[in-house]
Amino acid sequence: AQSVSQHNHHVILSEAASLELGCNYSYGGTVNLFWYVQYPGQHLQLLLKYFSGDPLVKGIKGFEAEFIKSKFSFNLRKPSVQWSDTAEYFCAVNARGAGSYQLTFGKGTKLSVIP
Amino acid sequence: DTAVSQTPKYLVTQMGNDKSIKCEQNLGHDTMYWYKQDSKKFLKIMFSYNNKELIINETVPNRFSPKSPDKAHLNLHINSLELGDSAVYFCASSLKTGVNNEQFFGPGTRLTVL
Repeated sequence: AQSVSQHNHHVILSEAASLELGCNYSYGGTVNLFWYVQYPGQHLQLLLKYFSGDPLVKGIKGFEAEFIKSKFSFNLRKPSVQWSDTAEYFCAVNARGAGSYQLTFGKGTKLSVIP
Repeated sequence: DTAVSQTPKYLVTQMGNDKSIKCEQNLGHDTMYWYKQDSKKFLKIMFSYNNKELIINETVPNRFSPKSPDKAHLNLHINSLELGDSAVYFCASSLKTGVNNEQFFGPGTRLTVL
């Protein structure tokens, strides 16, 4: 079974600072990778996804993530955060293959951006 | 034209009651899911249905029973509610298994058991 680790529980940044949120997964096969964002009081929205191809994927709102297969990582980055980026960020993995319906989430990283 | 909708948005009830949460998706997806998000924001899959057929049933008390009358609906019925059932429940849907398995989430139902 797959699992996902997000190492940072709570990250506090000032506006314009650069962001990198770590995500590592454990699964021996091929995976699809996702980052979701949950703004306060709202539902999860997809930021970006990786299925195949270029390991550097760009998402909405200036976010990007890099899939490094050898490190089983899919870290999320943004060069300059804004106050409106304050939210909870979830990394998720879906193992491909038969019965690959299950999306396994990490425990989330809370990002607080100080104006 | 909401893609995944849930009702109610908030549900406050007493211990021991039975309640249902409804979910509908208008995306034409074959697969639907229920997740539980606890007070620490941890999201855990509970059930998944593909075209009205149960395909994932995680370790969830049998007080929780999903019902899928058609592939656009996946309702969650909870019997004999307990304090520990308080959480936010999210419904989601996706295309059938394959390369593109992005899940679309509903707005959530905040259940409070008193």
